[in-house]
Amino acid sequence: QSVLTQPPSASGTPGQRVTISCFGSSSNIGSNTVNWYQHLPGTAPKLLIYSDKQRPSGVPDRFSGSKSGTSASLAISGLQSEDEADYYCAAWDDSLIGYVFGTGTKVTVL
Amino acid sequence: QVQLVQSGGGLVEPGGSLRLSCATSGFDFSDHYMTWVRQAPGKGLEWLSYISSRGTTIYYAESVKGRFTTSRDNAKNSLFLQMNSLRVEDTAVYYCAKDGYGLSFDSWGQGTLVTVSS
Repeated sequence: QSVLTQPPSASGTPGQRVTISCFGSSSNIGSNTVNWYQHLPGTAPKLLIYSDKQRPSGVPDRFSGSKSGTSASLAISGLQSEDEADYYCAAWDDSLIGYVFGTGTKVTVL
Repeated sequence: QVQLVQSGGGLVEPGGSLRLSCATSGFDFSDHYMTWVRQAPGKGLEWLSYISSRGTTIYYAESVKGRFTTSRDNAKNSLFLQMNSLRVEDTAVYYCAKDGYGLSFDSWGQGTLVTVSS
């Protein structure tokens, strides 16, 4: 049972904006930075956002991250068909003394 | 470029053991923490362990503590996961990954399937 909670699904039509939330607590999101990963079945996960809102080189600026208190969000603007994937938030948890992934959100492009 | 190439997966009976390897290149392995993550069928990503650059500090998820051992050989740029007392619920695709900024994992292996079944 993950300590980071995400909605199981999100969807939008091409060009729309989709936002995924991630709810945690003071021991994880509240005191450590949040990272976001994109995962397509059968492939390796890909880092999308690190340190709450930073994009690695090569990640389109359509992807943006934010954090407030014990929750974080990933926004995908200008949704494209290739964005159809599973998305996970993640953070270090000081109480568990370990890294935790969110429950995951499946994004569908309608 | 950064490469992480995994090997060692396969089919094993419950109670058995398996050792996964992750051979790396394209970066200074001895400067980076490394991690293991898995995904069971139909489930989300699960973090398993995190090893410091020199291998002196290792963290484990409760689900594998006492059964799995992470190690590294900096001379061979390789990471290992020794899995003992395997259970059916350990069936998953296992990934190794390299640390990046902000406690993130910025490069991943291709994944290797471990199936625990009689």
